Amino acid sequence: KNQVEQSPQSLIILEGKNCTLQCNYTVSPFSNLRWYKQDTGRGPVSLTIMTFSENTKSNGRYTATLDADTKQSSLHITASQLSDSASYICVVTFYNAGNMLTFGGGTRLMVKP
Amino acid sequence: GAGVSQSPSNKVTEKGKDVELRCDPISGHTALYWYRQSLGQGLEFLIYFQGNSAPDKSGLPSDRFSAERTGGSVSTLTIQRTQQEDSAVYLCASSSGLGPLEQYFGPGTRLTVT
Repeated sequence: KNQVEQSPQSLIILEGKNCTLQCNYTVSPFSNLRWYKQDTGRGPVSLTIMTFSENTKSNGRYTATLDADTKQSSLHITASQLSDSASYICVVTFYNAGNMLTFGGGTRLMVKP
Repeated sequence: GAGVSQSPSNKVTEKGKDVELRCDPISGHTALYWYRQSLGQGLEFLIYFQGNSAPDKSGLPSDRFSAERTGGSVSTLTIQRTQQEDSAVYLCASSSGLGPLEQYFGPGTRLTVT
């Protein structure tokens, strides 16, 4: 069964600190992996999209890495801000599956002052 | 331009009633998706429309759920004979076509079945 698992489920860090969120997937064959940020009460917003041939992509203070061999991805947040408090969702697409997505359960990040 | 919009933002209904949720995708986007997000759960795929192709309904949890997309634009998700387990946030997303493209999400409709 194709699955996407994220860890930790929740995380609390102090403002200004860095953190790394993990995503492991069993989706095969794999097309691409996305990281979304979802603020409470809002729809998810895309942070990065990586194909299987890419191993890193940055978007401001967010850097995503991908190891297609081990089927692992991480999202690193640098110099966290209070506005980073949100859920971060890892999403994997099946190859040739018409843009079908498999979602991880998300990591709930809280940044405290 | 405007993003994906959904209405209503909140809906409270009694068990057994039918509800309709509306999604207005970004103009020109050919792909439209419905997802469900239950409390404490991840996003669950429901249905996918791509252009004039037959929709992929593989994620619909029961035959009480149906969706249509009129004129390749606005979509309506209908839940008949609602049950308490249908309570969730229903999210709509659209993208401009096939492939690993950005999906833009609407704000969602929070459905509460009492």
